[in-house]
Amino acid sequence: ETVMTQSPATLSVSPGERATLSCRASQTISSNLAWYQQKPGQAPRLLIYGASTRASGIPARFSGSGSGTEFTLTISSLQSEDFAVYYCQQYNNWPPLTFGGGTKVEIK
Amino acid sequence: QVQLVESGGGVVQPGESLRLSCAASGFTFSGYGMHWVRQAPGKGLEWVAFIRYDTNIKYYADSVKDRFIISRDNSKNTLYLQMNSLRAEDTAIYYCAKDQALRYFDVWGQGTLVTVSS
Repeated sequence: ETVMTQSPATLSVSPGERATLSCRASQTISSNLAWYQQKPGQAPRLLIYGASTRASGIPARFSGSGSGTEFTLTISSLQSEDFAVYYCQQYNNWPPLTFGGGTKVEIK
Repeated sequence: QVQLVESGGGVVQPGESLRLSCAASGFTFSGYGMHWVRQAPGKGLEWVAFIRYDTNIKYYADSVKDRFIISRDNSKNTLYLQMNSLRAEDTAIYYCAKDQALRYFDVWGQGTLVTVSS
């Protein structure tokens, strides 16, 4: 099973600042990585797939990078609606599909 | 508008069974694989099961294998999850999610809460 590790667990950022979230895979997953955003009381929403391709309707301030075992989600200028929990998910080696533990982006 | 709507959640005792449903609309349901993903209260996401568009392939997480059964009825645009021998650790919000190319989840339902408690 491919274990996904996200860091930090919580990130405190001021509106307008940049946020950088990390995701590490326990074995190489090429670029087979997706990112999701989840707000309280809501279902997750797909942000990024293929490590760097934005899903339909996702603002350009969200960008993904990385390949192999190290990945990054960057939010260039945080808006109020971006404060949420973010999950990475690998789909290179499955079953099982596996998620990271999440990074909570909170207002500083 | 692509939409997934789960139903069937509730409170059950350990060892009991429950069947969840997920009604799909706005896309050609019979052309896509479907997943169940769960989230325990205050915890992260856990993939539970997958069924291919034609039902010929099914995968399960080890934590639910031999207890849960995923199925679908393409004539009714509905996905199911039969959950047997439920345990306290199965308590979670259960989401159905549309598969994209055997890879990630591009559409999610709103979830249905299952509580297993004596």
